[in-house]
Amino acid sequence: EAGVAQSPRYKIIEKRQSVAFWCNPISGHATLYWYQQILGQGPKLLIQFQNNGVVDDSQLPKDRFSAERLKGVDSTLKIQPAKLEDSAVYLCASSLSGISNQPQHFGDGTRLSIL
Amino acid sequence: AQTVTQSQPEMSVQEAETVTLSCTYDTSESDYYLFWYKQPPSRQMILVIRQEAYKQQNATENRFSVNFQKAAKSFSLKISDSQLGDAAMYFCAYRSGGGSQGNLIFGKGTKLSVKP
Repeated sequence: EAGVAQSPRYKIIEKRQSVAFWCNPISGHATLYWYQQILGQGPKLLIQFQNNGVVDDSQLPKDRFSAERLKGVDSTLKIQPAKLEDSAVYLCASSLSGISNQPQHFGDGTRLSIL
Repeated sequence: AQTVTQSQPEMSVQEAETVTLSCTYDTSESDYYLFWYKQPPSRQMILVIRQEAYKQQNATENRFSVNFQKAAKSFSLKISDSQLGDAAMYFCAYRSGGGSQGNLIFGKGTKLSVKP
């Protein structure tokens, strides 16, 4: 079974530029999550999708972050414009469904550096 | 709001020895799940072990076991016969239960080093 795929693996941009990350979940997984992991901290949920609908985006900075999962499969997370504090690893995860007893499977993440 | 605290930023263990990583959490819920994830330098979060709060029996997975103390809100991870491949960041995480779609809440992590 193929795991969660993310790209790119690394990205370096200057502040105020825009950037996009892509995630392809495990086949058949209805729920997709984007997490932000700042250095020295645990991951923090940014947004959760159930198929192509948003379940929870309460911690997504909506003035600069956006995410979509148009066909209920792969997803894109965008930052525009980027700030220095957005430097982090962005992790994508998926699960069969969103209920609590379903384990989340994580990708390798994208490390974003803002200059 | 639920919180997860890992009080040991770094731990070290000799190969083949046993080490225990600590985790405490705060919640007013009675139904929830607790997890330990491993994150090697490759960055992928790997599920190590899971505990359902309604189960009194401590979960075990091969060399990994937990000590779940519900009243004390403590959830420690014991790694027996430590191997070089166990070196990684370890994160404790909490998730609301009851069929809800609550998200994972992570602690800040413990960096485990394994000495040959």
